[in-house]
Amino acid sequence: QVQLQESGPGLVKPSQTLSLTCTVSGGSISGDTYYWTWIRQPAGKGLEWIGRIYTSGSTNYNPSLRGRVTMSVDTSKNQFSLKLSSVTAADTAVYYCARRYNSGQNWFDPWGQGTLVTVSS
Amino acid sequence: DIQMTQSPSSVSASVGDRVTITCRASQAISSWLAWYQQKPGKAPKLLIYAASSLQSGVPSRFSGSGSGTDFTLTISSLQPEDFATYYCQQANSFPITFGQGTRLEIK
Repeated sequence: QVQLQESGPGLVKPSQTLSLTCTVSGGSISGDTYYWTWIRQPAGKGLEWIGRIYTSGSTNYNPSLRGRVTMSVDTSKNQFSLKLSSVTAADTAVYYCARRYNSGQNWFDPWGQGTLVTVSS
Repeated sequence: DIQMTQSPSSVSASVGDRVTITCRASQAISSWLAWYQQKPGKAPKLLIYAASSLQSGVPSRFSGSGSGTDFTLTISSLQPEDFATYYCQQANSFPITFGQGTRLEIK
């Protein structure tokens, strides 16, 4: 059973870069059946899709994040990562990593438990 | 972007009640819709995909219907563990977008 776990700093200063890693266990991250995604949720608010990455390196990002997002994958470590630059308080949220459920579909299961990132000086 | 609008934003109901939540897409998305359940402090859980397909392990009291722009999630007989927030998500095109959520509370 595939499981995902987010990790990274819980506190980031304004204007700096948020960096998170998602470690995949119970299965290989490689292959094109699945892609890997990041989704965030500010406290008390709804879900915002950030972007996706295939293990080939192909990516799609949410235009709302205005070019601040970079995703990468490390198949040797069974991990994928998120970088969000020039953060502000508006980027404070719980960040989830997730996997596409199956080929040709764009819904997500499983998800990681989420990690809270606070942007504050 | 495709806008997803859920109604109601919150609903109060009792154990045993039948509850329906509606999700409307700003443009047609065929059956490219999923429903998630989220409990406080937890990640969303996939309940329904392809508008009406029940995810493995999800109780049969949950059902989904609709296509095009209008969709519904129905819980046929509420159980105590069903009180949570529910989100719809369009899977038709990028960027992926979610509804604002419907909070299901105990009456």
